[in-house]
Amino acid sequence: KAGVTQTPRYLIKTRGQQVTLSCSPISGHRSVSWYQQTPGQGLQFLFEYFSETQRNKGNFPGRFSGRQFSNSRSEMNVSTLELGDSALYLCASSLAGTALWEQYFGPGTRLTVT
Amino acid sequence: KNEVEQSPQNLTAQEGEFITINCSYSVGISALHWLQQHPGGGIVSLFMLSSGKKKHGRLIATINIQEKHSSLHITASHPRDSAVYICAVPGNQFYFGTGTSLTVIP
Repeated sequence: KAGVTQTPRYLIKTRGQQVTLSCSPISGHRSVSWYQQTPGQGLQFLFEYFSETQRNKGNFPGRFSGRQFSNSRSEMNVSTLELGDSALYLCASSLAGTALWEQYFGPGTRLTVT
Repeated sequence: KNEVEQSPQNLTAQEGEFITINCSYSVGISALHWLQQHPGGGIVSLFMLSSGKKKHGRLIATINIQEKHSSLHITASHPRDSAVYICAVPGNQFYFGTGTSLTVIP
């Protein structure tokens, strides 16, 4: 079974631009969650999608948004990039959610904002 | 106060030693996750447990729901166990501990 894939793996953007990151879950998994990891704040939850609906959301500004498609693939978008958005963005998929199901993480997208 | 507290933050052990990492949480949960992250960023789920104890090879995880506390034990530690170990608790979002950086010296 193929694992969770994320594209692109590395990205350099300029302040003020926007970026879209993609996550393809393991086949059969209906839940996709997104996380931001920085040296200062560690891992932080962004949002979780299940069957195309956002189920939970972390404490991030509205510049961070996401969506999930009918094939469970998910995208997250960050608009008006700030230097502080430089981070490793990870997605994870599971059968039905973060509460009671094992999470399978992708390799992450390393975003650098200059 | 963080919803999830981990200790210790850093740990250095000699190969073969028994290791314990602790996690305390304040949010109400249905399960707790232990994750492992190697240098380079990849995260692997080690355990998800909602009660009692689970064992996988040399790794053992326990949880006490009443005391809101979980421990991860590594028996006969090996240099390949060197990684960051993170506990995570699902609630109305997913709460993470700050991680324990483990270095096992040969």
